[in-house]
Amino acid sequence: DTGVSQDPRHKITKRGQNVTFRCDPISEHNRLYWYRQTLGQGPEFLTYFQNEAQLEKSRLLSDRFSAERPKGSFSTLEIQRTEQGDSAMYLCASSSSTDTQYFGPGTRLTVL
Amino acid sequence: GQQVMQIPQYQHVQEGEDFTTYCNSSTTLSNIQWYKQRPGGHPVFLIQLVKSGEVKKQKRLTFQFGEAKKNSSLHITATQTTDVGTYFCADTGGFKTIFGAGTRLFVKA
Repeated sequence: DTGVSQDPRHKITKRGQNVTFRCDPISEHNRLYWYRQTLGQGPEFLTYFQNEAQLEKSRLLSDRFSAERPKGSFSTLEIQRTEQGDSAMYLCASSSSTDTQYFGPGTRLTVL
Repeated sequence: GQQVMQIPQYQHVQEGEDFTTYCNSSTTLSNIQWYKQRPGGHPVFLIQLVKSGEVKKQKRLTFQFGEAKKNSSLHITATQTTDVGTYFCADTGGFKTIFGAGTRLFVKA
């Protein structure tokens, strides 16, 4: 499968715990995006990487959220001290210079 | 901040009827992309519009970009049950992609 993959697909955690999600983009895609989606809403932009550089980060993102793409390939999204409001589907997408974004299946986070 | 608004929020149609969803912005859109998300699935790219007044067709789907680049529409002719899902527009200018809330389409056979 050469599509975007995300791991884990589901995560249940208790409030206050830290969680980390991984995204593996399509090979050779230099652009990578993270989004958050809640029920009945469109994907909400979180952050954007071009290669290993994080070029854009949503102002809505609190300091508890951090993302990395150390070698310009896979990326991780970490949420520290999770809150119930963090419960959502976290989507990753990648693209090349054509701008078409290919989305992964997402990681569904539930914070109890 | 910039917002992309979509109407209607929901649309119920009988199979064979037409369907249209509209995307509006108070600011000029850079490029507009349309995505489809099936229930339980992830967004899948449909098309990108770049030029003012652009019209593109994909089989039964017709996409338009307004002359002022502040609105766009997606029209489906003779809907089928396979068209069920949520259709999103997105402004893809710059590094940030702004999605609308989507229009959820229900098709009754």
